[in-house]
Amino acid sequence: SQELEQSPQSLIVQEGKNLTINCTSSKTLYGLYWYKQKYGEGLIFLMMLQKGGEEKSHEKITAKLDEKKQQSSLHITASQPSHAGIYLCGALTQGGSEKLVFGKGMKLTVNP
Amino acid sequence: DVKVTQSSRYLVKRTGEKVFLECVQDMDHENMFWYRQDPGLGLRLIYFSYDVKMKEKGDIPEGYSVSREKKERFSLILESASTNQTSMYLCASSSIGQGGFFYGYTFGSGTRLTVV
Repeated sequence: SQELEQSPQSLIVQEGKNLTINCTSSKTLYGLYWYKQKYGEGLIFLMMLQKGGEEKSHEKITAKLDEKKQQSSLHITASQPSHAGIYLCGALTQGGSEKLVFGKGMKLTVNP
Repeated sequence: DVKVTQSSRYLVKRTGEKVFLECVQDMDHENMFWYRQDPGLGLRLIYFSYDVKMKEKGDIPEGYSVSREKKERFSLILESASTNQTSMYLCASSSIGQGGFFYGYTFGSGTRLTVV
């Protein structure tokens, strides 16, 4: 079964709207990493979360980690066309591991 | 700026050909990974390497092999390309930083391989 579930699978929003993406693990999280991918390109690192309750922000993107729920959320405020792409979460689900498990990704479309 | 460089962005090969995908990183990372990415299936790990000349199978190693003769270079080999290997191939590298901190992966730009 899939260790990391991302929801929704895809989203179309109007420019200026806020949105939230979730990443839920079936196992204990030892670290959670968010990446963004533009179509046909590699993955760009956004943020990493290490501890329960941790929250990080970069420009208009905020990520939070809920250790008890084994879940992370990524919130985009006032979305712009430049936010469009595929958002993937990756997680360490084994202590001491250096191998990330990835979700299937969430495709975001932002209409001007 | 630290980099993971994949030799080709787009590649078209014929069925049965032996295909080499090259990946080079300049960060002195110990770990290197090869993934393929397909719509609806996400990222699937093909092979990874924790050190020079060391390799371990990932989730879908069939039809692939790898080579890591130098720390900075990790090659993916399709022994006899088939149409079901048409995909986006992504290379990544990682390392443990000071104090045992894991910073996640750095990815290359990807190689879109089409087998005809």
